[in-house]
Amino acid sequence: DTGVSQDPRHKITKRGQNVTFRCDPISEHNRLYWYRQTLGQGPEFLTYFQNEAQLEKSRLLSDRFSAERPKGSFSTLEIQRTEQGDSAMYLCASGHGGGLSYEQYFGPGTRLTVT
Amino acid sequence: SQQGEEDPQALSIQEGENATMNCSYKTSINNLQWYRQNSGRGLVHLILIRSNEREKHSGRLRVTLDTSKKSSSLLITASRAADTASYFCATDARGQGAQKLVFGQGTRLTINP
Repeated sequence: DTGVSQDPRHKITKRGQNVTFRCDPISEHNRLYWYRQTLGQGPEFLTYFQNEAQLEKSRLLSDRFSAERPKGSFSTLEIQRTEQGDSAMYLCASGHGGGLSYEQYFGPGTRLTVT
Repeated sequence: SQQGEEDPQALSIQEGENATMNCSYKTSINNLQWYRQNSGRGLVHLILIRSNEREKHSGRLRVTLDTSKKSSSLLITASRAADTASYFCATDARGQGAQKLVFGQGTRLTINP
């Protein structure tokens, strides 16, 4: 169990540029989640995958955001035409499926700064 | 929007003392989880308590859940400097497939040596 990994850990970009983040979940986990966290706040849910299917998207996920999990393993989160308000920590988490209780295991996050 | 509210927002105590943090939430839940976050890092899962449980222990951690009051508390006993972190409660709403967690704003805990 190597844990959830995210790449890159830090990204600085200029407004208007596109950025893509990657998340590698714990290998046996079929559920994958993306959250966004701004300074001083708790994480906010963005989207959720079960295997390769994207089952839920938050209203926070504007049309500039897209997430994929093509083979049910790693996932990517792309932000197009970045804005300064996109600056935040983007967290990925994974978990087992089944049952009514789901523990989620978080990666270290990608900190995005839009200048 | 965030469902949970942690209280206090910040807590500073001396090493060796006990730390208690409270969390309130709004809707019926399947379970409630507590996470720790060190500055600028990812979240570490601490403990999960199901809606039909009232108390749970893990090492120096004790969690209680009162579903009638929609509240939970996290007690850290015999605090250490390494416990300095932000602590978040997170809930998943009953009847929505337990798919996403809704976090509070967190309690910033500082343990003074």
